[in-house]
Amino acid sequence: ELKVEQNPLFLSMQEGKNYTIYCNYSTTSDRLYWYRQDPGKSLESLFVLLSNGAVKQEGRLMASLDTKARLSTLHITAAVHDLSATYFCAVVASGTYKYIFGTGTRLKVLA
Amino acid sequence: NAGVTQTPKFRVLKTGQSMTLLCAQDMNHEYMYWYRQDPGMGLRLIHYSVGEGTTAKGEVPDGYNVSRLKKQNFLLGLESAAPSQTSVYFCASRGQFLGELFFGEGSRLTVL
Repeated sequence: ELKVEQNPLFLSMQEGKNYTIYCNYSTTSDRLYWYRQDPGKSLESLFVLLSNGAVKQEGRLMASLDTKARLSTLHITAAVHDLSATYFCAVVASGTYKYIFGTGTRLKVLA
Repeated sequence: NAGVTQTPKFRVLKTGQSMTLLCAQDMNHEYMYWYRQDPGMGLRLIHYSVGEGTTAKGEVPDGYNVSRLKKQNFLLGLESAAPSQTSVYFCASRGQFLGELFFGEGSRLTVL
């Protein structure tokens, strides 16, 4: 059974600092997704990672995927207050269409 | 574009009552999903469908039933609501090319 773990669960950081959120999963998968959720809102797609070594960047966020290590990272560069949100990774186990989500990382960027 | 629409947005039930949540998508997607979101537990998959007339169990299917009679609609039913089903429910449909999920705005359900 596919398990997806994120860490840290909570992250409070100063503006201008860098940090990385980790997403580990337990079984084989070749596709991973990152989402953002603002309080009381729905989830918005950030990145789609479809192969080993995939790297995607959008503004101050960069996501990567290492399928051999079963690990994805979401790196935040020079954080700004607008990045405050909860970030989720979601993994699709190979051979299925089940999207299993991590528990989320609640990010708070302090001005 | 409407995308994924959920109704109702809010509902309060008494224990033992039944209700149905409706999810409608206008993107002609084949795959649809129902999740529940609880504090500290992320999103957990309840049921999903890979096409009209098909449904399958997710991680936490007990106490819920689903139906996909039309491609654009995916219904989630609670036959006898329990307080443990108090949650925010999200519906999603899967994009055809990259496979990302498109989410509805959520339905907040409280069972007293």
